[in-house]
Amino acid sequence: DAKTTQPNSMESNEEEPVHLPCNHSTISGTDYIHWYRQLPSQGPEYVIHGLTSNVNNRMASLAIAEDRKSSTLILHRATLRDAAVYYCILRVTTGANSKLTFGKGITLSVRP
Amino acid sequence: EPEVTQTPSHQVTQMGQEVILRCVPISNHLYFYWYRQILGQKVEFLVSFYNNEISEKSEIFDDQFSVERPDGSNFTLKIRSTKLEDSAMYFCASSPQGISYNSPLHFGNGTRLTVT
Repeated sequence: DAKTTQPNSMESNEEEPVHLPCNHSTISGTDYIHWYRQLPSQGPEYVIHGLTSNVNNRMASLAIAEDRKSSTLILHRATLRDAAVYYCILRVTTGANSKLTFGKGITLSVRP
Repeated sequence: EPEVTQTPSHQVTQMGQEVILRCVPISNHLYFYWYRQILGQKVEFLVSFYNNEISEKSEIFDDQFSVERPDGSNFTLKIRSTKLEDSAMYFCASSPQGISYNSPLHFGNGTRLTVT
């Protein structure tokens, strides 16, 4: 499985933008980049995914490098509720079904 | 918004006992998963299930584990003879028809299993 590398932790201030980096230098051409997050005492939650182009949704934006070897999850205005572990995952497919393989993720702390 | 529900939220059992963890996936989803997370560690894949059979399982999912979709709504994980090291949060997830790679997984909030 192609691996991702994320810093262990990051701190941000409330209402400021947050950029969470992810390196995936061994990504293959058909791997999608997925981001999930896990709030304290909850299950993982889907955030966003992309293949080549930058993506936006109501939760976040995903900026993907032109060579696809890295990506950045952007939270435009961090709130206290955004404090969580964020996982950058390459979705590997085996046939029609594909599992997610979670790494350690990056722990985001948000200061009031 | 529809969600995956898991019961119970916390299960305490004695070593050697059988436990069944229950999940109600989102109603129109076809792919089902179990993951676990030992305290302070990564979320680990256990098994995926589609069309009433296991699609893929990890090394963790040994003969002590089984999954079942007994009716049209429930998806269960059974651990036949629990061990201390089975203590963990167990997360159920489901996804819609997943021919494309884009279907996100929807996770429940987990069952905390404590084996004493």
